[in-house]
This record gives sequence, C-alpha cells and structure tokens, in this order.
Amino acid sequence: KAGVTQTPRYLIKTRGQQVTLSCSPISGHRSVSWYQQTPGQGLQFLFEYFSETQRNKGNFPGRFSGRQFSNSRSEMNVSTLELGDSALYLCASSPAVGVADTQYFGPGTRLTVL
Amino acid sequence: SQQGEEDPQALSIQEGENATMNCSYKTSINNLQWYRQNSGRGLVHLILIRSNEREKHSGRLRVTLDTSKKSSSLLITASRAADTASYFCATDATSNDYKLSFGAGTTVTVRA
Repeated sequence: KAGVTQTPRYLIKTRGQQVTLSCSPISGHRSVSWYQQTPGQGLQFLFEYFSETQRNKGNFPGRFSGRQFSNSRSEMNVSTLELGDSALYLCASSPAVGVADTQYFGPGTRLTVL
Repeated sequence: SQQGEEDPQALSIQEGENATMNCSYKTSINNLQWYRQNSGRGLVHLILIRSNEREKHSGRLRVTLDTSKKSSSLLITASRAADTASYFCATDATSNDYKLSFGAGTTVTVRA
C-alpha cells in the first residue's frame, strides 16, 4: 500500500496570507490527524478527523482549521499567517478512530512564513 | 502542552553499543508509543505498550513501562548508523480526551 502523502512538501508564504495543506491517508484508513512541529514547542496535536467529522482539537487559535472529505483525504488551512506558524506540519492516518492505534505519518509539509 | 519528557535530550554512542532513553509523563495514560524521526521527516512508529503491560520487545528494541513511576524506557541494542535519529515517546490519556501528546524527544547519534 502507498503511504501517507502530503502536498506540497515545501511552502513559502508571507505574513497575512493563507495556506492550504493536503493529506492523503493510507488506503482504507479513515482517521486523519494533524500535528505541528517546531523547535520551540515540539510536536503539538492540531486536530483529528474521522468520517468527515472533527473528532478532537488541540489548543490552537481559530486561524487553524481543517476538513476531511468522503474519500478520507484531509486538508488543513491556516489563515492570516504569522511568523510563528513556520513549522513542519505532519499528517498521520490510522485505520480506526482514536490514537491508541499506530499512527502512520506522512513526510510533512515544511511551511516557512516570511 | 507536552505530557512526556525524554531524557537525555541528546545521546552519542559508538556503533554496536546500546542506547537507552527514558520518558516520563505526568498523568495516568492508556497507552505509550515510541516513534523515530529521521532528520525533520515524518515519524515512524516503533512500538506501542499498553498501560497494563510492563515490557515489550520488537527486534533490537525493548520498551519498559512503569506506571507507578509514570515512566518508560526505550533500549536499542547493538546500535547501527541507521539508528541515528530523534526518538519520541507519545502518550494518550482519557483525561486528555485521547489526544496524542509527544515528548520533546531524544536525539541519538551513532558514530561509526
């Protein structure tokens, strides 16, 4: 099976812009989670989607949003970008809801905000 | 917020030696997982240990869990250059609505 894919792999934006990142889970996986990784804060949970419903959300401002489509593909959007949003954004999928299952991570999208 | 804290932050060992890293966490957990990350890429799942388990093995990996001390250790035996990576523990807890919470990670360098 193909692994989790994320597009684009690298992105450069300027402050105030918005960005959309895409994640395609492993075929058959219905749960998709998003994480932000920065040197200062480490890996932080953003949100989890299962069957097109947001099941859980981390402590991030409303500028961070996401959605999941009927084919389990997911997108996350960050509006009004700030310098502090520069990070590696990781998507992970699993067969079932909840994180007790193994999470299969994609390679990440490196976002740089100038 | 991070539930797990890894110790040490960095570790440098010779090829063939064993590497041990520890993870401590704050609240009662359901499961604890270890992941590996190579140079800013995606994470790879290594092993999952449930709260009612005390030890688990997978190849050259050995994980222990001590729920009374709220700590876990990951041992990599007979290390190889390919083991050079950052290692993270991740916990999920009912009190945190099952969100996966990662520690800061241990960076392991294996010298040839």
